[in-house]
Amino acid sequence: TQLLEQSPQFLSIQEGENLTVYCNSSSVFSSLQWYRQEPGEGPVLLVTVVTGGEVKKLKRLTFQFGDARKDSSLHITAAQPGDTGLYLCAGANDMRFGAGTRLTVKP
Amino acid sequence: GAGVSQSPRYKVAKRGQDVALRCDPISGHVSLFWYQQALGQGPEFLTYFQNEAQLDKSGLPSDRFFAERPEGSVSTLKIQRTQQEDSAVYLCASSLFPLSSGYNEQFFGPGTRLTVL
Repeated sequence: TQLLEQSPQFLSIQEGENLTVYCNSSSVFSSLQWYRQEPGEGPVLLVTVVTGGEVKKLKRLTFQFGDARKDSSLHITAAQPGDTGLYLCAGANDMRFGAGTRLTVKP
Repeated sequence: GAGVSQSPRYKVAKRGQDVALRCDPISGHVSLFWYQQALGQGPEFLTYFQNEAQLDKSGLPSDRFFAERPEGSVSTLKIQRTQQEDSAVYLCASSLFPLSSGYNEQFFGPGTRLTVL
């Protein structure tokens, strides 16, 4: 089992601010996924990163996979209240999840 | 609908009762996963099915937990003699391809919130 550590655990910011959350492991992943979960719902896939050093953009969200494929980051530009939720990373090798970063964006 | 459905959405059980949680995956999806999610935490893996075969049950916390997918579609997670620490949201997810393929976009159901009194 490949353990994933996510940081920070909680993040509360004002609308319009930028933020970065992290997903780290001591193991190498063939690919890694980011999900967002809103209260009362199941997680929804945002992106899958496959290649070391890969950068993917999804509107205001930028995902990066580390060169060694052991870590990943999610950067949000100009956060909006609709970005509020639990951000989870998971290794595609075994579909185990990190504990998540709970983001709150205040209007 | 075409998504993953779970029933019931909410279940209250008295300690010691048995419960059965149902998952209807997306039709044709090969992989099915069960997770347990405690309040404020990420989903914890319980078990994985590829069609009707349970290939990984390493996450089941005790022998009180049992899962099946007899025809490779609908799955049931059964918890016997429930205890208060079993209170959590139980999530089911399905994926079109086998886990070994590496193409594992999971589609999640809304979960069943179990409360054990």
